[in-house]
Amino acid sequence: GESVGLHLPTLSVQEGDNSIINCAYSNSASDYFIWYKQESGKGPQFIIDIRSNMDKRQGQRVTVLLNKTVKHLSLQIAATQPGDSAVYFCAENRGGSYIPTFGRGTSLIVHP
Amino acid sequence: GAVVSQHPSWVICKSGTSVKIECRSLDFQATTMFWYRQFPKQSLMLMATSNEGSKATYEQGVEKDKFLINHASLTLSTLTVTSAHPEDSSFYICSAPGDYYNEQFFGPGTRLTVL
Repeated sequence: GESVGLHLPTLSVQEGDNSIINCAYSNSASDYFIWYKQESGKGPQFIIDIRSNMDKRQGQRVTVLLNKTVKHLSLQIAATQPGDSAVYFCAENRGGSYIPTFGRGTSLIVHP
Repeated sequence: GAVVSQHPSWVICKSGTSVKIECRSLDFQATTMFWYRQFPKQSLMLMATSNEGSKATYEQGVEKDKFLINHASLTLSTLTVTSAHPEDSSFYICSAPGDYYNEQFFGPGTRLTVL
């Protein structure tokens, strides 16, 4: 069935570097996308979202890019810090639904 | 933002026993709540939608007689894992929608270990 997937299961970066986490989705009916951060033993924490009528959205140190042509979503974290170490999930809300469907997740490891 | 709590945060039980997990919306009302299951190093999988005042809606492949859901009030949903087995060991997470479309608040999760 259609699903949201990720290219890289683990990403290791040095503190201060910029991080890019990628996500591929296959459901063209999805109209809303969210990035969540999950620290070990905790629930998902909202980071940033983007609607399908946008291609870029910026937050504090984070930027989400959406390329609907190739069904690709990315999360960019500027000046990555050790506290950013976590698993990052992209999720999609399929058209008409407000329940997020989660992708596989990428583990971000930030080395001091 | 709104806060969703879960209790207990972790539980260890013997095989064959039943375990109840609570999900509460602390400062808002939720007519709907969602239950997810997450195995180690895997993603969150939606198990069921809990509806206040009516039966829960289960996702395909989730046994409704094994995972009993009761939405007792506008702030409380419970998930009971009946006759638990080691393969039920997982991280169970609930969420509740906020006032705005697409807004979801997640609980901190409950780690269930079945011996």
